[in-house]
Parts: sequence; structure tokens; C-alpha cells
Amino acid sequence: GAGVSQSPSNKVTEKGKDVELRCDPISGHTALYWYRQSLGQGLEFLIYFQGNSAPDKSGLPSDRFSAERTGGSVSTLTIQRTQQEDSAVYLCASSLARANYGYTFGSGTRLTVV
Amino acid sequence: GENVEQHPSTLSVQEGDSAVIKCTYSDSASNYFPWYKQELGKRPQLIIDIRSNVGEKKDQRIAVTLNKTAKHFSLHITETQPEDSAVYFCAASSRGGKLIFGQGTELSVKP
Repeated sequence: GAGVSQSPSNKVTEKGKDVELRCDPISGHTALYWYRQSLGQGLEFLIYFQGNSAPDKSGLPSDRFSAERTGGSVSTLTIQRTQQEDSAVYLCASSLARANYGYTFGSGTRLTVV
Repeated sequence: GENVEQHPSTLSVQEGDSAVIKCTYSDSASNYFPWYKQELGKRPQLIIDIRSNVGEKKDQRIAVTLNKTAKHFSLHITETQPEDSAVYFCAASSRGGKLIFGQGTELSVKP
């Protein structure tokens, strides 16, 4: 596609429920990244996929968070048993290869846990 | 570990003045340094970047300088306009292939 597409744009969920966030990167971009942005805060790295290599999961805050990337394209970030502190904007970005080609960000998913 | 420090956290200038935002990084292997602008409720957008083989890059009213020895880089905006008001993030590439971001600078340009 023309840009990075994320869905849903907004998600309100009850504490304890599982949620899935979707990211569709720019066609041909082999690198895909997930970041979290809490209100008024910076960009916290979560996970990074590069081609067929094992993902860099070093930023995932707990084992309730997981992500997969199927067929080298679409990625899904799953948060199990959501907590109120999970409320944030989840941003996905893709890049032509590695980070030094620059990122294109999606519009994000605003997650609110009530 | 890999770290990027950004200062100041907030910056207020009068329209027409210059604004400077500074970042330092810890990983000597970093070789790519982009800057992103994020308007309220919008996605971060790349505004300028610099690679380690150059010391300065300019694009109209925006310039970035890099000092690899000191491991710091800066964003300079001249002749600021109200539409420059936003949060600006610096970033540095890491050995692992991702970007490490600074904490952001909220720039306010007063008309």
C-alpha cells in the first residue's frame, strides 16, 4: 500500500481481556517495528522484525505481550489479560531494510483499558 | 545499554526566532540520525536525517549537525513559524538495526 496501515484506530477494552492490534506495512519493506507511546511520553521500543530473521523482542514489557509477522508482511501485536497501564498509543513502523533507511510510521492504535 | 538523551524537554520561542534541540547518543556504532516531527494526535513524520559520513545537512529552514567524536547531534530551525509547533524526536540507529529515540522536545512558537 501507499503507507503503513494500522487497525483499529481506537480500541476500548475491559481490564483482563485480550486485544489484537494489526499493522500492514509498506509493500516491499522488510523491516517492521512496534513502539508504544504513553500520554505525553516518548517512543518505547517493543519488538522488531527483519525479513526471516528471529525477531528482536527485547522491548516487550512482559510475557503478556507477543507479536507475529506472517508471510513477511502483516504483523499482529497481541496483549493478553490487559491492564490499565497498557493504555497507550501503539505505533507500527516499517523500513526498506534496516533502521538506517528511515521509518515510516502508521497512524497508531489508541488503546484504552477500562 | 543503548541510550539517546534529548534536551530541552520543552522549548518556547517567538515567531521568527531560531530553535535548537540537542541529542547525545551512547552507541559508537550508530551511523544514522533522523529527526521526526509529531503534531498533536498525528503520527511522527521524518523531517530530516543525517548519516555519519557528513557533519551537517540543511533543508530550507531546517539543519542538522553531527559531532561523532562527542557523540552528539543537533536540530536547528531558523525563522520559526507557528506551524513548527510540535513535538520533535531525535533518534540514533543501533547495532541491532532499530532506532533508539530521545524523549522528545515540545516546541511552542508564539506568534
